[in-house]
Amino acid sequence: EAGVAQSPRYKIIEKRQSVAFWCNPISGHATLYWYQQILGQGPKLLIQFQNNGVVDDSQLPKDRFSAERLKGVDSTLKIQPAKLEDSAVYLCASSLDRPRWGHNEQFFGPGTRLTVL
Amino acid sequence: ELKVEQNPLFLSMQEGKNYTIYCNYSTTSDRLYWYRQDPGKSLESLFVLLSNGAVKQEGRLMASLDTKARLSTLHITAAVHDLSATYFCAVDALDSNYQLIWGAGTKLIIKP
Repeated sequence: EAGVAQSPRYKIIEKRQSVAFWCNPISGHATLYWYQQILGQGPKLLIQFQNNGVVDDSQLPKDRFSAERLKGVDSTLKIQPAKLEDSAVYLCASSLDRPRWGHNEQFFGPGTRLTVL
Repeated sequence: ELKVEQNPLFLSMQEGKNYTIYCNYSTTSDRLYWYRQDPGKSLESLFVLLSNGAVKQEGRLMASLDTKARLSTLHITAAVHDLSATYFCAVDALDSNYQLIWGAGTKLIIKP
């Protein structure tokens, strides 16, 4: 079974530039998450999708971040314009439908390491 | 608001020793997850604990869950260098959003 795919793996940009990240979840996983992980910290949820609908985006800085999950499969996360404090690893995760399976084990992609100069 | 606390946050130990990492959480939940993260890598699922008294073991790692005490432990037996990593616990918030609430992580260094 293929895991969660993300691209690019690394990105270096200057502040005020824009950047986009792509995620392809595990086949059949209804829920998709984008996390931000700053060095030395735990993952911080940015946005959660259930199929192609947004469940929670309360911690997404909406003035500069946007995300979409068209057709309930792939997802993109965009930052425009980037700030220095956006330097972090952006992780995508997916999980099965919790009500049906009884748990919420999340499977993570390799992440995208973003450096904003 | 559900909070998850891990301790210690940093642990340096010698190979061959035993130690335990603790994960406390603040509200009722009976689903808890342990993840491992190697430096520069993503998070890898280790254990899924789905009920009070659940115990899971994989090699030198054993995880348990006490929902009444709101406590999970990750026990390391006869540590080896390959277990050096950061370990995170995450608790299922059991709300309608099906989110996980994450601990800050325990950075474990095992010296040969």
